[in-house]
Amino acid sequence: AQSVTQLDSHVSVSEGTPVLLRCNYSSSYSPSLFWYVQHPNKGLQLLLKYTSAATLVKGINGFEAEFKKSETSFHLTKPSAHMSDAAEYFCGQHNNNDMRFGAGTRLTVKP
Amino acid sequence: DSGVTQTPKHLITATGQRVTLRCSPRSGDLSVYWYQQSLDQGLQFLIQYYNGEERAKGNILERFSAQQFPDLHSELNLSSLELGDSALYFCASSVGGAGGGWSYNEQFFGPGTRLTVL
Repeated sequence: AQSVTQLDSHVSVSEGTPVLLRCNYSSSYSPSLFWYVQHPNKGLQLLLKYTSAATLVKGINGFEAEFKKSETSFHLTKPSAHMSDAAEYFCGQHNNNDMRFGAGTRLTVKP
Repeated sequence: DSGVTQTPKHLITATGQRVTLRCSPRSGDLSVYWYQQSLDQGLQFLIQYYNGEERAKGNILERFSAQQFPDLHSELNLSSLELGDSALYFCASSVGGAGGGWSYNEQFFGPGTRLTVL
């Protein structure tokens, strides 16, 4: 069965510094990979998705993620954190009508 | 606001009871997806309907069932409730999804229904 591992349950950065949220997926021939953000008391919002096109995927709000097959990773990055980025982030993998999510990474942004 | 509505926002009930959660998708969306988010299990996909028919099934318990009606709204029925069913239940919708559809159709999530089983 496929699985998604988010390597950090909590990441804390200062405003204006880079963000790195790590995600490893289980090997699949052609995975579809996603990052979602969940703000407090809100539903999930899609940040970006990878579906076997360009390996560097650009999303909303300045986020991007790089698909690395050799490392089975799909890490989320942003060059400069804003206070509004503080939220829970979920990495997801879809394959064969099955969708799995990681446990989530809580991002804290300090002023 | 995603355009997906869920009712009720909060639901408190007792073990052994049955509840129904309701979801109205965005106008024009044919697919509805149900998810459960709990502290123990994290975020889990339950089931997907496309234009009234079940399309994909995830970790949905036999005590749970869902349906999508001709007007495309969906209901998730949870029966014989247990303490462990306490969770946030999300509905999402997308335009397509006849073949599952995660790869090509962005899902828009509702605000969720928080279920507390006492």
